[in-house]
Amino acid sequence: SQKIEQNSEALNIQEGKTATLTCNYTNYSPAYLQWYRQDPGRGPVFLLLIRENEKEKRKERLKVTFDTTLKQSLFHITASQPADSATYLCALTNSGNTPLVFGKGTRLSVIA
Amino acid sequence: DGGITQSPKYLFRKEGQNVTLSCEQNLNHDAMYWYRQDPGQGLRLIYYSQIVNDFQKGDIAEGYSVSREKKESFPLTVTSAQKNPTAFYLCASSRTATNEKLFFGSGTQLSVL
Repeated sequence: SQKIEQNSEALNIQEGKTATLTCNYTNYSPAYLQWYRQDPGRGPVFLLLIRENEKEKRKERLKVTFDTTLKQSLFHITASQPADSATYLCALTNSGNTPLVFGKGTRLSVIA
Repeated sequence: DGGITQSPKYLFRKEGQNVTLSCEQNLNHDAMYWYRQDPGQGLRLIYYSQIVNDFQKGDIAEGYSVSREKKESFPLTVTSAQKNPTAFYLCASSRTATNEKLFFGSGTQLSVL
């Protein structure tokens, strides 16, 4: 069956360190993968999209990698700040017009 | 301001009652989606619409119904057949149906009285 797994339900990290979140998938051949941020009681907000032919994408302090051989994406936040505390969701779909499927998310807490 | 608006923020349903959640977007997006989120769970797809007057079932469509009579509106009805409706409901849109980034509303929390 198809699965998307985000490695941990919760991750605590000291301010200033790099947070690394993992998204693994099975039985998908995704054309691309997306990452979203969700704050409590709010809708998710799009952060980054990485395509299957891209190894790495950056946006300010965010970096995403995509390894289609390992079937894994890593999401990094460098120089983390307490304001980065939120739940981060990965989402993907096979190519075509099928809607995104989301992982359960990882709740990140950055401690000052 | 362009965006996607969900209302109400909080909704209570009595036993045997149908309730309708509103979702409106002024982004001129073709595709719209309804997801359900339970505590500690990911988003699960209820229904989606890639074009006006057309919609498809998602993974958990039973007990729900939708309509897409206008491009900007995609209301979701939670029927009495949905026995466990308590959840956070999220509406989203994308410019086209080819899985570009989703824009989400702020959600509706539905609870059963």
